[in-house]
Amino acid sequence: AQTVTQSQPEMSVQEAETVTLSCTYDTSENNYYLFWYKQPPSRQMILVIRQEAYKQQNATENRFSVNFQKAAKSFSLKISDSQLGDTAMYFCAFMKQSNQFYFGTGTSLTVIP
Amino acid sequence: NAGVTQTPKFRVLKTGQSMTLLCAQDMNHEYMYWYRQDPGMGLRLIHYSVGEGTTAKGEVPDGYNVSRLKKQNFLLGLESAAPSQTSVYFCASRGPSGSSYEQYFGPGTRLTVT
Repeated sequence: AQTVTQSQPEMSVQEAETVTLSCTYDTSENNYYLFWYKQPPSRQMILVIRQEAYKQQNATENRFSVNFQKAAKSFSLKISDSQLGDTAMYFCAFMKQSNQFYFGTGTSLTVIP
Repeated sequence: NAGVTQTPKFRVLKTGQSMTLLCAQDMNHEYMYWYRQDPGMGLRLIHYSVGEGTTAKGEVPDGYNVSRLKKQNFLLGLESAAPSQTSVYFCASRGPSGSSYEQYFGPGTRLTVT
């Protein structure tokens, strides 16, 4: 069964605008960790932001922030003031207490000049 | 620090051949992971290790074996390659529990099986 679902295969945004990428996950665990990774054309995986499930406060990292809804099992990524360098594949990931990671199928984001 | 390195970067195999992919990390990380990435599938966990001398199966372990004889190295073996194993393989490592849980990824190995 799919543990992490990203329902938007492709998205685009105008430069300087804001975009939100969606992610839902499925787990019966109470303590876990969520991540957003970016994969530019270079193929290198880069951590964008992470969230601990026991923390109610949404994580922020400069222009990147998340909307973590634990009851709804939702973990969306908001990118503000989009830049051309944000063009990449974005993967939502979930780490269980077993130390296994599960990734979504990704959202391809294009920032339009 | 080199971080996480993978050898080789590219490889073409014929069906039935064997090969070993090497992952090395210089961050003294306990945990190491092998993933495969296929179009439209995201990253899927093949095997992982929680410390030297340990290995465990991930989501898609069939057709692969691993070994973690040294803390800094994690080897992924294909005993008899099949076209279905054509993929990009990523290795990752991370620090101990209580750390940020961030995974550090290698640059990937593109494997083609003909």
